[in-house]
Amino acid sequence: DAKTTQPPSMDCAEGRAANLPCNHSTISGNEYVYWYRQIHSQGPQYIIHGLKNNETNEMASLIITEDRKSSTLILPHATLRDTAVYYCIVNGNQFYFGTGTSLTVIP
Amino acid sequence: GAVVSQHPSWVICKSGTSVKIECRSLDFQATTMFWYRQFPKQSLMLMATSNEGSKATYEQGVEKDKFLINHASLTLSTLTVTSAHPEDSSFYICSARATRTDTQYFGPGTRLTVL
Repeated sequence: DAKTTQPPSMDCAEGRAANLPCNHSTISGNEYVYWYRQIHSQGPQYIIHGLKNNETNEMASLIITEDRKSSTLILPHATLRDTAVYYCIVNGNQFYFGTGTSLTVIP
Repeated sequence: GAVVSQHPSWVICKSGTSVKIECRSLDFQATTMFWYRQFPKQSLMLMATSNEGSKATYEQGVEKDKFLINHASLTLSTLTVTSAHPEDSSFYICSARATRTDTQYFGPGTRLTVL
């Protein structure tokens, strides 16, 4: 079963930052937090992952709380192409996907 | 970046036939690959974990005799849907876990339609 909870949907204005929250209160000490997104009828795309430090790459930033019970994915300047379902996954040996957050970027 | 391919991208078959789907990691080695199924408007559901050179581990409720998985090399895993029926129609997605980084990379998916 998925160990994460995410809001089912969010809207974001084009050009603004999109902040997507995820709760993972039962995360274990050695489990990473992974973020993927899925655009309709495609395979999920890797975005970013982290253990306890904040991470940034060319796509996004990941902020993990000090107690590691929640995290936020930040898309700094959302574009229409960022419209997708975003999945937060706590990594054990396998990935169990929750329902994700459907992000709609509005022009 | 790490690329995973799937073939075919879509397939239509008659009920009772078998269909094989290939999953390849193109530029990295993957000791472990995974197979998922996704029905319309639903999330991905893990079907099985496949380790190179050993038998796959199936999730509860997934019939191992119906969904045959072979992972014969560090870059190739195959899923064979045997005696397919209309209820097996779905979007099948594989992923490969990069041995070096432990990150999973997903294929583009295979749309199976059983008539």
